[in-house]
Amino acid sequence: DAGVTQSPTHLIKTRGQQVTLRCSPKSGHDTVSWYQQALGQGPQFIFQYYEEEERQRGNFPDRFSGHQFPNYSSELNVNALLLGDSALYLCASSLARTEAFFGQGTRLTVV
Amino acid sequence: DAKTTQPPSMDCAEGRAANLPCNHSTISGNEYVYWYRQIHSQGPQYIIHGLKNNETNEMASLIITEDRKSSTLILPHATLRDTAVYYCIVSWKNQAGTALIFGKGTTLSVSS
Repeated sequence: DAGVTQSPTHLIKTRGQQVTLRCSPKSGHDTVSWYQQALGQGPQFIFQYYEEEERQRGNFPDRFSGHQFPNYSSELNVNALLLGDSALYLCASSLARTEAFFGQGTRLTVV
Repeated sequence: DAKTTQPPSMDCAEGRAANLPCNHSTISGNEYVYWYRQIHSQGPQYIIHGLKNNETNEMASLIITEDRKSSTLILPHATLRDTAVYYCIVSWKNQAGTALIFGKGTTLSVSS
């Protein structure tokens, strides 16, 4: 049983560009959450998707947007990249009211 | 903001029990205590969670005080592979799942 898978594992982008990160949830999970983890900090909650809708959102600007597909996979989009967006982006999946399982993350570097 | 307070670091000798404390004095009645750990450059790994009763699984034990204002994660026989950042998180279970608000965690160093 594959766990949570994220792609790509590493990515380098230029300031001002746009990026799309992808996440496939653990089999049977229907909820996907995204987190940003800057170096030396704990993960910060970005938003959560359930039934293809954004259900909760953390304190992130509108440049951060997402989508959930009918097969429960999800994308995180970040527009107008800033140097400060450089971080490890983590995806977590869960089934309603159960614990979340995390992927290994996508390391985004903005130059 | 995170609703928990943890010591920034702890040391433990290999083979001994590691007891990681967490304070969550503002926890509400329907909020759970979750523990995750993160080994360097990997995604966080779920360890255990509880509401009011003590819990045990193959990885650890969770002891929650009667007033629920603090808890302790116990790794009964720590190994070098348990060296990681441990996060104590208080959260409620909504219909869609649990959004986790991480703090800075405790860096546990296990040495031989």
